[in-house]
Amino acid sequence: EAGVTQFPSHSVIEKGQTVTLRCDPISGHDNLYWYRRVMGKEIKFLLHFVKESKQDESGMPNNRFLAERTGGTYSTLKVQPAELEDSGVYFCASSPQSRYSGTGRQYFGPGTRLTVT
Amino acid sequence: GNSVTQMEGPVTLSEEAFLTINCTYTATGYPSLFWYVQYPGEGLQLLLKATKADDKGSNKGFEATYRKETTSFHLEKGSVQVSDSAVYFCALNTGGFKTIFGAGTRLFVKA
Repeated sequence: EAGVTQFPSHSVIEKGQTVTLRCDPISGHDNLYWYRRVMGKEIKFLLHFVKESKQDESGMPNNRFLAERTGGTYSTLKVQPAELEDSGVYFCASSPQSRYSGTGRQYFGPGTRLTVT
Repeated sequence: GNSVTQMEGPVTLSEEAFLTINCTYTATGYPSLFWYVQYPGEGLQLLLKATKADDKGSNKGFEATYRKETTSFHLEKGSVQVSDSAVYFCALNTGGFKTIFGAGTRLFVKA
């Protein structure tokens, strides 16, 4: 079974530019999550999709961040325009469908390291 | 709100030393508790989990016991190896869809 994949693995952009991160969840997983780890701090929740719908986007830092999940499959996270403080590692995770998340286990991708200069 | 606090790193140990990484949590309800590990160049992997009080999660020689009375989930290993060098994250989930993580503890194991 293929795991969660993310692209690119690393992106370096200048302040003010736009970057789009992509996540492909495990096939059949309805739940998809984005998290971010900034400057060696804790990994923070950004948002949660159930299929193509945003279930919880309480962690999105501001309106420069836009997440989509077309057709309930892969997801993209766009940062426009990027700022220095957006640098960090962006993790995607997925989990199977259930009314509750059961034990709460999520399957994580390798992350995209974003560097804004 | 829910939160996880874990000991700051980095932790540097010699091979075969005993490892403890402390983790305490604050949560409403009865969370599931996790340790995730990130090896160099790789993604987050689930190391072990416990879903109720007094449960012990174990994997690859690592253990952690869910202590409700002390709200703790300390990670231990009796004899670390160089290959255990990684960043370890304590985390909780209260049965919803948001996982709450600690800041991570980097472990270096010297040969």
